[in-house]
Amino acid sequence: DTEVTQTPKHLVMGMTNKKSLKCEQHMGHRAMYWYKQKAKKPPELMFVYSYEKLSINESVPSRFSPECPNSSLLNLHLHALQPEDSALYLCASSRFTGGRAEAFFGQGTRLTVV
Amino acid sequence: AQSVTQPDIHITVSEGASLELRCNYSYGATPYLFWYVQSPGQGLQLLLKYFSGDTLVQGIKGFEAEFKRSQSSFNLRKPSVHWSDAAEYFCAVGGTNAGKSTFGDGTTLTVKP
Repeated sequence: DTEVTQTPKHLVMGMTNKKSLKCEQHMGHRAMYWYKQKAKKPPELMFVYSYEKLSINESVPSRFSPECPNSSLLNLHLHALQPEDSALYLCASSRFTGGRAEAFFGQGTRLTVV
Repeated sequence: AQSVTQPDIHITVSEGASLELRCNYSYGATPYLFWYVQSPGQGLQLLLKYFSGDTLVQGIKGFEAEFKRSQSSFNLRKPSVHWSDAAEYFCAVGGTNAGKSTFGDGTTLTVKP
């Protein structure tokens, strides 16, 4: 199984809502990532988890809250988002952090904030 | 700091023609180099990678790339493009001293019939 599964595929939420994005992998990878991607732009790294511990937070606003419950799961909790947060949110995993291994990406969650 | 430059924002080729997408990187040690492809609304898929060894690497879907240390380049090639190759292509660099991979801004490939 070389898949990273993300749910939901699409999400529309209001600015006062709380929602969560979920990501799952069963490749035994110990590094997991959240990226944000705007149209026609490269993925923008948000968070890196290494061995279930947060190792990189790219100065992401606190309205985004990551969580890694175990080595296979990664969540992104969303609260009080702004319309400019609308984007494709990608989860990825890799054997190692540090760019020493290829990343496997999920299909993404298309988030629209209204 | 590491960086990646993809000089071509948009490339259009005819189906059956050859393709070369350029990638230049900056990294202070031995780089780990990747090419990813992204179809609209989808996640990224790895095409190929270079860590060490033979500087010409083969990937999926008939793609290959050549690492040239003297030119700090890792260009992607395909001898004959298919309409299904139309997508966004990202080059990325990482390494043992890097905390993360860095992506280029991407090249959009359009394939004419």
